[in-house]
Amino acid sequence: EVHLLESGGGLVQSGGSLRLSCVASGLIFSNYGMTWVRQPPGKGLEWVASISGPGGPYYPDSAQGRFIISRDNSKNTLSLQIVSLRVEDTAIYYCAQGGVFGVAPQNWGQGTPVTVSS
Amino acid sequence: QSALIQPASVSGSPGQSITISCTGTNSDIGAYDFVSWYQQHPGKAPKLIIYDVTNRPSGVSDRFSGSKSGNTASLTISGLHAEDESDYYCSSYTNSLALVFGGGTKLTVL
Repeated sequence: EVHLLESGGGLVQSGGSLRLSCVASGLIFSNYGMTWVRQPPGKGLEWVASISGPGGPYYPDSAQGRFIISRDNSKNTLSLQIVSLRVEDTAIYYCAQGGVFGVAPQNWGQGTPVTVSS
Repeated sequence: QSALIQPASVSGSPGQSITISCTGTNSDIGAYDFVSWYQQHPGKAPKLIIYDVTNRPSGVSDRFSGSKSGNTASLTISGLHAEDESDYYCSSYTNSLALVFGGGTKLTVL
């Protein structure tokens, strides 16, 4: 059974930075693309970034260079660095297996909450 | 990368069938058969219930089915159960190698 565990969320001031992590188990991590999806309070899902097994990143235009996705296949760990945080980045951040090259995000973690204060 | 369009809410009685639509463009839904659907209960992570337009992951009830015509995908839930009351999101891969989600639909079982 695949298990994804996010960490690193918390309360941060506007303009600050944060690094989220997601540790995966139950799969050959390097074989799968991985994805970050966020959900602001009371709102819908929003794609944040994806990365292929070897490490090629993909971002929506809205990322504007503030989100950096990376992975360490030797540690089964996915990361997301967010810089120049804005109040509107407040959300639950989920990591998910898949999301690259048409593969639907299938297994999801429980999410880590990020709150950006002004 | 505009969001896919879903109705904000739908409702049905136990035992009935409902359909949720998801409208995109020929750059996303119309470009590939990479449409997926997610069920999300309050306070929980999304759960994949349909992938590649029509396929169900292991363990998902066959009361859930998906289809696509042109730039519009649909999720049908037959024989509604009370526990089907949830938020539902569609998603599609796009021809710019992006993922796009719909705004979500709240299903109420009357």
